[in-house]
Amino acid sequence: EIVLTQSPGTLSLSPGETATLSCRASQNISSSYLAWFQQTPGQAPRLLIYGTSSRATGIPDRFSGSGSGTDFTLTISRLEPEDFAVFYCQQYVSSPRTFGQGTKVEIK
Amino acid sequence: QVQLVQSGAEVKKPGSSVKVSCKASGGTFSSYAISWVRQAPGQGLEWMGGIIPIFGTTDYAQKFQGRVTITADESTSTAYMELSSLRSEDTAVYYCARVGNSGSYSDWGQGTLVTVSS
Repeated sequence: EIVLTQSPGTLSLSPGETATLSCRASQNISSSYLAWFQQTPGQAPRLLIYGTSSRATGIPDRFSGSGSGTDFTLTISRLEPEDFAVFYCQQYVSSPRTFGQGTKVEIK
Repeated sequence: QVQLVQSGAEVKKPGSSVKVSCKASGGTFSSYAISWVRQAPGQGLEWMGGIIPIFGTTDYAQKFQGRVTITADESTSTAYMELSSLRSEDTAVYYCARVGNSGSYSDWGQGTLVTVSS
């Protein structure tokens, strides 16, 4: 089973700042199979990024993904009030399709 | 855009079973995998398993092997997740999610709260 470890656990930032979230895999993942999701309280997760760096439909370009091998990053530029949420990475290269434990981006 | 609508909240006794449904509309049902993901209160996302309706093939997380059964009815575009031998730790919101052209979960149901309590 591929274990995904996200850091930091919580990120305290102000609107307009840049958030950098990390996701480290316990083994190599093809960059085609790493996704990022955003979840706000009481809502289902929303796909932001797939294939490491491709934005899902309707996702603004302030969200970007990068990485390869075992290290992946989600960057959110110019944080908007609606961006404050919990973010999860997920690998879908192998079963079980594991998620990271999440990073909470909160308003400072 | 595919819409996934799940069945309503359930309260179950320990040892019993629950079956949650997920009805798809607005897109092709059979060709894309549907998975089930759960989230315990205040916790992260946990992948349980999935099915490809057109083939009927299933894949389960080892943690749930023997307790979970995922099925799909192509005639009604509905997927089901049945979890047996329920215990209090199974209290969670259960989501269905559909793989889209991205290869990842682009569409999600609204979630179904299952509460296990005596």
